[in-house]
Amino acid sequence: EAGVTQFPSHSVIEKGQTVTLRCDPISGHDNLYWYRRVMGKEIKFLLHFVKESKQDESGMPNNRFLAERTGGTYSTLKVQPAELEDSGVYFCASSQGERTGSYEQYFGPGTRLTVT
Amino acid sequence: KQEVTQIPAALSVPEGENLVLNCSFTDSAIYNLQWFRQDPGKGLTSLLLIQSSQREQTSGRLNASLDKSSGRSTLYIAASQPGDSATYLCAVTNRDDKIIFGKGTRLHILP
Repeated sequence: EAGVTQFPSHSVIEKGQTVTLRCDPISGHDNLYWYRRVMGKEIKFLLHFVKESKQDESGMPNNRFLAERTGGTYSTLKVQPAELEDSGVYFCASSQGERTGSYEQYFGPGTRLTVT
Repeated sequence: KQEVTQIPAALSVPEGENLVLNCSFTDSAIYNLQWFRQDPGKGLTSLLLIQSSQREQTSGRLNASLDKSSGRSTLYIAASQPGDSATYLCAVTNRDDKIIFGKGTRLHILP
């Protein structure tokens, strides 16, 4: 079974540009989470989808960040316009959820975003 | 290749007891180690971050230690409460900036 995948693995963009990160969860996982670690600091929660609905977006830093999960499958995280402080590693994780009662999160390899 | 192991996978203790959760890693060349709490159906909550140059960090009833040379970290929870019941994960950041998560310890505090 394929794990959580993220694309791209690394993105380098200039300040002011737009970047879209993609996460493909494990098939059948209702829960999808985004996290990020900026500038070597701690990993922090961004938001949580249950299927296509945003369950908790309390960790989203500002309105330059937009996450979507159309159809409840893959998710995208768009940063527009990107700022220098957005550089870091963006993680995605998925878990099965209520249907099975299993909430173990499986993590993707992350996307390293560098804003210059 | 870095591997992160958390033992035990599950733990039940009576309320009020002090307890220790363990996290071990195979490559001591780490940048930092972070402990998280995971509640069912919720995102991870960061508890403590220990930089490679530090030996411990404290926050309230939680104390995390780091022994890089032996590849171990412990999370000490004092005077446990039912609300502490959750899964606790550790994650290490390697020198190559890769982050590896453990599988977690499911903690159940018995009232």
